[in-house]
Amino acid sequence: DVKVTQSSRYLVKRTGEKVFLECVQDMDHENMFWYRQDPGLGLRLIYFSYDVKMKEKGDIPEGYSVSREKKERFSLILESASTNQTSMYLCASRPDGINYEQYFGPGTRLTVT
Amino acid sequence: AQKVTQAQTEISVVEKEDVTLDCVYETRDTTYYLFWYKQPPSGELVFLIRRNSFDEQNEISGRYSWNFQKSTSSFNFTITASQVVDSAVYFCALSESLYGQNFVFGPGTRLSVLP
Repeated sequence: DVKVTQSSRYLVKRTGEKVFLECVQDMDHENMFWYRQDPGLGLRLIYFSYDVKMKEKGDIPEGYSVSREKKERFSLILESASTNQTSMYLCASRPDGINYEQYFGPGTRLTVT
Repeated sequence: AQKVTQAQTEISVVEKEDVTLDCVYETRDTTYYLFWYKQPPSGELVFLIRRNSFDEQNEISGRYSWNFQKSTSSFNFTITASQVVDSAVYFCALSESLYGQNFVFGPGTRLSVLP
């Protein structure tokens, strides 16, 4: 079974802190994604990566950066957390090919106070 | 322009009722894939089904069934004899070569099944 894990289910941080959200997948998938989910706004893509050290901006990259130093790990970084980044963050991975589904992690609910 | 539309934002039904969740998509590709996901209150998205553009057969899996109609660009999901455990947000998604490895997700439909 494909497994996508996220470092925390719940996280509380203060405004201005640097925040790291980690995602690890164990199925050698080329592609990894970070989404943000807010009530009424559905899933919004922040960044995705199609290979190690490769990344592309999604729909809402402002205020975020990412790192993919190893194939299995994709990190989302909030350089200086703000209250409007309070949200549910979902990581996903997917093999190459438009026929494959995305596999999701359990999500991290981040609160910035 | 939104590529995947789920017009129903929220639906409430009483247990044992049948319910259909609508999904309408837009694409110019002839080869594409459609997906349904379930997101229960725990938060993790669970994959339910994949359908490719060349296979218009309906699919049934237990109480779940899917109706794919290319003529209307729709891929609707029906739950028969709904149960409380079906309460979740359901997302429809489109995968096509234009978007590379990305999905286009619909906005989701929140289904509440009341006892």
